[in-house]
Amino acid sequence: QVTLRESGPALVRPTQTLTLTCTVSGFSLSTSGICVSWIRQPPGKALEWLAVIDWDDDKKYSTSLTTRLTISKDTSKNQVVLTMTNLDPVDTATYYCARRLIGDPDAFDIWGQGTTVTVSS
Amino acid sequence: QSALTQPASVSGSPGQSITISCTGTSSDVGSYKLVAWYQQHPGKAPKLLIFQVSQRPSGVSNRFSGSKSGNTASLSISGLQAEDEADYYCCSYAGGSTFVFGTGTKVTVL
Repeated sequence: QVTLRESGPALVRPTQTLTLTCTVSGFSLSTSGICVSWIRQPPGKALEWLAVIDWDDDKKYSTSLTTRLTISKDTSKNQVVLTMTNLDPVDTATYYCARRLIGDPDAFDIWGQGTTVTVSS
Repeated sequence: QSALTQPASVSGSPGQSITISCTGTSSDVGSYKLVAWYQQHPGKAPKLLIFQVSQRPSGVSNRFSGSKSGNTASLSISGLQAEDEADYYCCSYAGGSTFVFGTGTKVTVL
């Protein structure tokens, strides 16, 4: 069974750095065509795509957040890690990781349950 | 990467059909067949409904269908049911392995 599970702190202070971990099972992060993205959703608002890391370690970021985001993976641990620097209350959101398999279906077919992060002093 | 534009809300009576539009640009929706639709119930993670403009994953009802014309994609729901009440998001590939989501549409079953 393919699953993704997000983990990280529930509360972060403004200006701090957030580190989120996505632990996957049922597939390998090194399999050709596998990509894992981070997507967030502020309370009551729309989904926002943040970043992606591919099976070959290629990384891409949202242009509006590129200076604050870093995505990495540890294939041996089946984990994808997202760090976001200089947190602000507007970064309060549920953060999801999701899998994309290039070619078929070439969409975010499996999502984690999400982890809620509140940025507040 | 501006968000794709969707109507904030759409409603219909049980059994009726509704359509949700998703307007992007020639840099995203207009350029790629990689448009997807997601259904999200309150407090839940999004669920893939449609991929590659009009394809349904296994297990998704054929009451859901997708299409695209130019820079606008559409999701249609026929035979509206109470369980279809949810938020719906479109998502398009925007080149360079990046994606952009829509503003979201709340579907209400009257």
